[in-house]
Amino acid sequence: GAVVSQHPSWVICKSGTSVKIECRSLDFQATTMFWYRQFPKQSLMLMATSNEGSKATYEQGVEKDKFLINHASLTLSTLTVTSAHPEDSSFYICSASDRPSYEQYFGPGTRLTVT
Amino acid sequence: SQQGEEDPQALSIQEGENATMNCSYKTSINNLQWYRQNSGRGLVHLILIRSNEREKHSGRLRVTLDTSKKSSSLLITASRAADTASYFCATLTSGTYKYIFGTGTRLKVLA
Repeated sequence: GAVVSQHPSWVICKSGTSVKIECRSLDFQATTMFWYRQFPKQSLMLMATSNEGSKATYEQGVEKDKFLINHASLTLSTLTVTSAHPEDSSFYICSASDRPSYEQYFGPGTRLTVT
Repeated sequence: SQQGEEDPQALSIQEGENATMNCSYKTSINNLQWYRQNSGRGLVHLILIRSNEREKHSGRLRVTLDTSKKSSSLLITASRAADTASYFCATLTSGTYKYIFGTGTRLKVLA
């Protein structure tokens, strides 16, 4: 089946630094990738949608300058949390889709802790 | 809110009993997926059911879908302590790539 990986699986960083999270589709080409965040004991909320080779589309309320998304190839998308603050601590999950099925395959998630 | 609703929010049962969780959603969908998430861990895909399907089985799991009521249920039979986790439904809105997650049900199975 379709496999999506994320790296790192967890990261701790200091306030003010930037952190990059990678999302890879291992056995299929992902024309579209998605980034979600999940606060403790809450559900997943879609942050942004990215199509290979074009700018990401951000959901309302998500700061595009803070959460930089790059989808440079059909197998890799990156999320960079810039100038991270403790309130950015969360579980970040990516998913990937190959047209035309519209189905998404989710990565295992990355836990970010900002101290 | 764009989120789907799940009920109950929390469920505590004895090992061997059945657990039923419900998911309601608001839009027309292409498919609905159920996921499990152990505390602090990633999502584990359980079942995908398409809008033209009414019921699917996978091992001890049974999922039903009623598109007229915009609802789905997940039944776990003969539950085990290892089934303790949060369970989420996610619906794919028709004509889009956008999945909307439910609020989740926290299941606790007591040994």
